[in-house]
Amino acid sequence: DMKVTQMPRYLIKRMGENVLLECGQDMSHETMYWYRQDPGLGLQLIYISYDVDSNSEGDIPKGYRVSRKKREHFSLILDSAKTNQTSVYFCASRGTGGRQNTLYFGAGTRLSVL
Amino acid sequence: GEQVEQLPSSLIVQEGASVLINCSYTDSASVYFPWYKQEPGKRLQFIIDIRSNMERKQTQRLTLLFDKKTKHLSLHITATQPGDSAIYFCSASPSNNRIFFGDGTQLVVKP
Repeated sequence: DMKVTQMPRYLIKRMGENVLLECGQDMSHETMYWYRQDPGLGLQLIYISYDVDSNSEGDIPKGYRVSRKKREHFSLILDSAKTNQTSVYFCASRGTGGRQNTLYFGAGTRLSVL
Repeated sequence: GEQVEQLPSSLIVQEGASVLINCSYTDSASVYFPWYKQEPGKRLQFIIDIRSNMERKQTQRLTLLFDKKTKHLSLHITATQPGDSAIYFCSASPSNNRIFFGDGTQLVVKP
């Protein structure tokens, strides 16, 4: 059963604290993504990872960094979180073969920065 | 880069009605167009897709139409049920691993 798992599901942090969001997939997909979802703004791409240690900025990378040391894990890091980073964050991995342009999404992490 | 626009942003219908969600894109390099459904509080899930060499695809109560000339897609859902209530996202993918999403259409189906 193909699965993308995100941890934690809910997180409350104070402004200035560091935040680590983790994502795992069990499908050996090479390409993974981090998106944030805000009301009325759809999905905004933060970072793409093409494989281990091969990461690329998306449309809104400022204030974020990523780490991918193993193919199955992709982490999003917020150094010194800001209140405008309150959002729902989704991780996704890109399928292969006949589904090579389909994304498999995690359940999301709802982050509140106070 | 690619821009994907969806209309309407929201729809409220009675159970059994049909709905149409429109989507347009700007980059002629986009060749693959998957749609996703997000039920309240849940993850996005793939529901249907179409490639740029096709004009129509149907699966159960979903019909997806594609017009390459006008860069326009439309998703038709027939015989709607309360379980169809969700946000529907159109997306477009050129061949560079980038996948661009529309802002979503919130569908509410009233019993």
